Amino acid sequence: AQKITQTQPGMFVQEKEAVTLDCTYDTSDPSYGLFWYKQPSSGEMIFLIYQGSYDQQNATEGRYSLNFQKARKSANLVISASQLGDSAMYFCAMSREFYNQGGKLIFGQGTELSVKP
Amino acid sequence: DVKVTQSSRYLVKRTGEKVFLECVQDMDHENMFWYRQDPGLGLRLIYFSYDVKMKEKGDIPEGYSVSREKKERFSLILESASTNQTSMYLCASGVTGKSPLHFGNGTRLTVT
Repeated sequence: AQKITQTQPGMFVQEKEAVTLDCTYDTSDPSYGLFWYKQPSSGEMIFLIYQGSYDQQNATEGRYSLNFQKARKSANLVISASQLGDSAMYFCAMSREFYNQGGKLIFGQGTELSVKP
Repeated sequence: DVKVTQSSRYLVKRTGEKVFLECVQDMDHENMFWYRQDPGLGLRLIYFSYDVKMKEKGDIPEGYSVSREKKERFSLILESASTNQTSMYLCASGVTGKSPLHFGNGTRLTVT
């Protein structure tokens, strides 16, 4: 069965420092996608970054990068130069049955990040 | 920009009531999803649909049903609301496994 695990329920980081949010996954699918979403206190889900299982390079989007280690089945999110506005819940997610049922995601439990001034 | 609109931000219903949660997307996406979000559990898939009049059960379909009469609209129905269905409900639409889902702002449902 496919599974996503986020082992850090909550984390603190000092403003302007980098922070890594952990995500491990389990799947037997040969192809899959990994996503990170941000959910501020207002509740909307904001897409941050995507990594395909066959992508050779780690994905980057501005201050966000995804540290993809396929052999370890991990897809950690790295946020550089944290800002107060980064305080939010962060979810790791994986697409299931990549080609047959596109878009269906399973989510981890989430990590609540608090950025201290 | 893709817009996914959920009809209610907050909803309070009584036990036993029939509840309709409505979701509309404006980007002609084939795929639509209903998730439930609870603290410590993340988001769990209730139902999804890949076409009009088509529906498939997700991981926690018990107590719920769905309707998709038009491509842009996907409704979640609680036939007889119970207190354990108090939760945040998120609707999403998308295209493929390579593209992100686009979410509505959520409906926080309280069943008393």
